[in-house]
Amino acid sequence: AQSVTQLDSQVPVFEEAPVELRCNYSSSVSVYLFWYVQYPNQGLQLLLKYLSGSTLVKGINGFEAEFNKSQTSFHLRKPSVHISDTAEYFCAVKGSGNTPLVFGKGTRLSVIA
Amino acid sequence: EAGVVQSPRYKIIEKKQPVAFWCNPISGHNTLYWYRQNLGQGPELLIRYENEEAVDDSQLPKDRFSAERLKGVDSTLKIQPAELGDSAVYLCASSPEGGRATEQFFGPGTRLTVL
Repeated sequence: AQSVTQLDSQVPVFEEAPVELRCNYSSSVSVYLFWYVQYPNQGLQLLLKYLSGSTLVKGINGFEAEFNKSQTSFHLRKPSVHISDTAEYFCAVKGSGNTPLVFGKGTRLSVIA
Repeated sequence: EAGVVQSPRYKIIEKKQPVAFWCNPISGHNTLYWYRQNLGQGPELLIRYENEEAVDDSQLPKDRFSAERLKGVDSTLKIQPAELGDSAVYLCASSPEGGRATEQFFGPGTRLTVL
């Protein structure tokens, strides 16, 4: 079964600074990778996804992530964060076929003014 | 286009009481998912429906949890009786492409507190 490890449970960062949220997944022949964001008292919103092709994926709100097959990682980055980016971020992995979406435990990003 | 709708948004009950959650997926989405999200954790799948058929319910605690999706549209998740450990956010999601779908659309969730 697939598994996802988000290495940091909390990441505080100052406004306009860059940020990287780390995600590693268990190896598989083929995987689809996702980053979701969850604002307080809301559901999950898709930030970006990797299905195939270019390993650098750009998403909404200025976020991007890079798929690294050799390191089984899919780290999320943003060059300059805003206060409004404060939220919980979840990395998720899905295998091919009728397999479930498996989430990591999440990383709480806190942007400090 | 309306998103996934869930109700109620919040529910507080005493242990041993029954509770039900309702979900209306995005129009045209054949696949519906129920997840449970414990505090400080990521969502975990409880059950997946393809139209009205439950095709993956291996993680649903069947002694107290039940779900239905009559007519393949709306769905209800029930807990009877509720226990303290059931306190969590229950998320509903839908997708248009079945189990092979690469994107799921989530509702705002129902936050359940069991006292």
